Amino acid sequence: SYVLTQPPSVSVAPGETATITCGGNTIGSKSVHWYQQKPGQAPVLVIYNDNNRPSGIPERFSGSNSGNTATLTISRVEAGDEADYYCQVWDSSSDHVVFGGGTKLTVL
Amino acid sequence: EVQLVESGGGLAQPGGSLRLSCAASGFTFSSYSMSWVRQAPGKGLEWVSGLRGSGGNTYYADSVKGRFTISRDSSKNTLYLQMNSLRAEDTAVYYCTKEGVEKPFDPWGQGTLVTVSS
Repeated sequence: SYVLTQPPSVSVAPGETATITCGGNTIGSKSVHWYQQKPGQAPVLVIYNDNNRPSGIPERFSGSNSGNTATLTISRVEAGDEADYYCQVWDSSSDHVVFGGGTKLTVL
Repeated sequence: EVQLVESGGGLAQPGGSLRLSCAASGFTFSSYSMSWVRQAPGKGLEWVSGLRGSGGNTYYADSVKGRFTISRDSSKNTLYLQMNSLRAEDTAVYYCTKEGVEKPFDPWGQGTLVTVSS
C-alpha cells in the first residue's frame, strides 16, 4: 500500500518560514492536498492539487510537489499557525485515500 | 454555505453496531462524492470510506471493509455509515466530508465520537 511520510514535528520562530515535507514514491505524479487541524477542531483544507489555495486561506500558505517529495511552506509564520498539518493523496492503484502521519507545527 | 452535521455517535459494545448520519446542506448533495474520515484519540487522520457522486461506487479502507457500509439518501440530503462488528480500535471521532475519491476533502463536519467498549 502507498505510504506518505511526514516529520512528526517542526518548530519555527514567529516571522520565519516553516517547511513541512511529505514523502512518497513518485508523489510528484499525484495531486497532493494539505490540511490544518487545530486542537479540538475539524481539519481545514489549506492547499489542494499541490499548490492551490482555497478561498480564505492566506497567501502565506503555498505548496509544491516534485519527484518523491511534496512540500507545504508557510511564510511569515504567526502564532495562530500552530497546528497539526496532514498531507493526503488518492492512490489510484488501490482506490484508497492515503494520509500522511501528520506534522505538529510549533511556533516558538 | 456548505454545512455538514454528523450524529449517531455514542457508546457501543464490542461486536455491536451503530449508524452514523451526516446531514448536508448548501450544495447539490447528489452530485458530489462524500466520505468518512476518522481520528482515534491522540492519533492522526484515517480515511474510512468514500461514495462517488456519479455512479455511486463505494470505497473502503482495508480496516473496515466487510464491516462498514456507506450509503446516501439524496431525498434527505443525508450520508450514512453503518458500522457492524465494532472493535475497540474503531473508537474515534468520525468526520463527514464533502468530496474525497480523487478530490480534496472540503469542508468537514464537526465530528461525532464513537466509543467501543464493554
